[in-house]
Amino acid sequence: AQSVTQLDSQVPVFEEAPVELRCNYSSSVSVYLFWYVQYPNQGLQLLLKYLSGSTLVKGINGFEAEFNKSQTSFHLRKPSVHISDTAEYFCAVSSVVIIQGAQKLVFGQGTRLTINP
Amino acid sequence: DAGVTQSPTHLIKTRGQQVTLRCSPKSGHDTVSWYQQALGQGPQFIFQYYEEEERQRGNFPDRFSGHQFPNYSSELNVNALLLGDSALYLCASSLFTGQPTGETQYFGPGTRLLVL
Repeated sequence: AQSVTQLDSQVPVFEEAPVELRCNYSSSVSVYLFWYVQYPNQGLQLLLKYLSGSTLVKGINGFEAEFNKSQTSFHLRKPSVHISDTAEYFCAVSSVVIIQGAQKLVFGQGTRLTINP
Repeated sequence: DAGVTQSPTHLIKTRGQQVTLRCSPKSGHDTVSWYQQALGQGPQFIFQYYEEEERQRGNFPDRFSGHQFPNYSSELNVNALLLGDSALYLCASSLFTGQPTGETQYFGPGTRLLVL
């Protein structure tokens, strides 16, 4: 079984400041890692994902995340945020096993990012 | 290219009633997963359909059931509604490739269910 812990429920940041949203996971098997964003009254949109290879992953809207296997972390970062980045951010994992169909996602509780002018 | 669509967008039911939610996957996708997102929480996996069969199931009671049609669209049914079933229900679609590739799941906008 897998679990995901997002260490901050809310993160307030000033516009153009850098931000880091923290995510730790627990799993007895290898996992894929994802960050999704949810804007108000909308579904989830994929920001980026780590499958294998380079531990630094670049995503959409200037976001990037770094996979750290020893610390079982997958923190999301952006060097300079904009008002439009205000949203809920979810870290998720899925196990690397072969089954028919897609892999189920296990989500964290979410981090609400608020950008102040 | 239409993304994942869900209907209805909002729904109000009373305790004990039954509800059916619908999902059309992104064009070319053959796998549909359903998630429940309670207020202030992350989505929780309900179940997943591929080739018209339930392939995986999360920790949800039998009151939650589903179906996948030959055109890959899907329905989520919830019987004997409880107040605690109030949530945003998200549908996600993906394409099964036969390999553990970490395929992206594309989410619809959700159906917001309120049980009174």
